[in-house]
Amino acid sequence: KNQVEQSPQSLIILEGKNCTLQCNYTVSPFSNLRWYKQDTGRGPVSLTIMTFSENTKSNGRYTATLDADTKQSSLHITASQLSDSASYICVVSRRNTDKLIFGTGTRLQVFP
Amino acid sequence: DSGVTQTPKHLITATGQRVTLRCSPRSGDLSVYWYQQSLDQGLQFLIQYYNGEERAKGNILERFSAQQFPDLHSELNLSSLELGDSALYFCASSVATSNTEAFFGQGTRLTVV
Repeated sequence: KNQVEQSPQSLIILEGKNCTLQCNYTVSPFSNLRWYKQDTGRGPVSLTIMTFSENTKSNGRYTATLDADTKQSSLHITASQLSDSASYICVVSRRNTDKLIFGTGTRLQVFP
Repeated sequence: DSGVTQTPKHLITATGQRVTLRCSPRSGDLSVYWYQQSLDQGLQFLIQYYNGEERAKGNILERFSAQQFPDLHSELNLSSLELGDSALYFCASSVATSNTEAFFGQGTRLTVV
């Protein structure tokens, strides 16, 4: 079954600290993996998109990694800011289909 | 601003009614996706259109339907509304298929009372 699982479900950190969010998937055949940031009540905003051949991609303080062999991805946030408080969603797409398979997200709260 | 426009932003209606949600994709994007997000839940894929034709279907109820018009805007029709249909409904668009970036609108918040 094509699934995307994220951990932890929720996370609280202090401003300035780093954190890492995990995503494991069973989607096959794999096409690409995306990380989105969703502020409460707003539409998701893309952070990174990685294909099979890419194992690291950065977007400012956000760095995503992908291990296509173990079907795992992580999103590392460096020097967190209050504005990083949001849900982070891992999305995987299957090759030859147009369906995006969403994880349930990790809710991150950054406290001062 | 993602370039994807959804209207209305908010909608309050009674059970049993029918509503239409509208989505204008980014200029040049051929694919439109619809998602439902209930309170504190993940995004649930409903349906996708590509250049006017239905491309993929998710867990969309029979009471719901969608279409994409020649100008590429899309409408999601929800009928015989129930309290449980209250949710945020998002539209996303992409240039082509699943290998291209998808951009989300700000959503329509539907409240069924």
